[in-house]
Amino acid sequence: AQSVTQPDARVTVSEGASLQLRCKYSYSATPYLFWYVQYPRQGLQLLLKYYSGDPVVQGVNGFEAEFSKSNSSFHLRKASVHWSDSAVYFCAVSMRTNNNRIFFGDGTQLVVKP
Amino acid sequence: GGIITQTPKFLIGQEGQKLTLKCQQNFNHDTMYWYRQDSGKGLRLIYYSITENDLQKGDLSEGYDASREKKSSFSLTVTSAQKNEMAVFLCASSIGVGDTQYFGPGTRLLVL
Repeated sequence: AQSVTQPDARVTVSEGASLQLRCKYSYSATPYLFWYVQYPRQGLQLLLKYYSGDPVVQGVNGFEAEFSKSNSSFHLRKASVHWSDSAVYFCAVSMRTNNNRIFFGDGTQLVVKP
Repeated sequence: GGIITQTPKFLIGQEGQKLTLKCQQNFNHDTMYWYRQDSGKGLRLIYYSITENDLQKGDLSEGYDASREKKSSFSLTVTSAQKNEMAVFLCASSIGVGDTQYFGPGTRLLVL
């Protein structure tokens, strides 16, 4: 069965530090890959997505993610975090066949210390 | 751009009560979804609808009914609210299944 794993439930970093949030999926073919962010008391918003091509995709607010087929991963990165980046980040995958839904990971809570 | 509206924003119910949550989207998207999010947890798919009048069960459909009478709206009914239940219900829509989903702000449920 398809699954998405975010191994870190919570990550704490200092403002200005770099960030990596990990995401691994289990599927033999290359899926569509997404990162969403959820700010307190809001719905989820799309940060970036990967469909094909360049494995490094750029998103909003300086976020980027790198797809690795060999590692079945899609890690999210940011060079320098801001306190306003504190939120919950969800990785999601969907298969490249008709009527295949998106599966979400359990999320990683990011806390940025001032 | 478009927007997803969920009503009500807050819903307080009694044990055993039937409760209905509504979702409207103006993206003209074919596919709509209902998710449940418990505090500090991920999203669990309750129902989704690929097109008007279609319904597909998700991973958590027991205890819920859904209805998609129009392309723009998708309703979810909690058939019998459980005492002390507390969760956020998120509605989303997308062009097709597997495409980018756009989310509403959520309905917060509390059952006394």
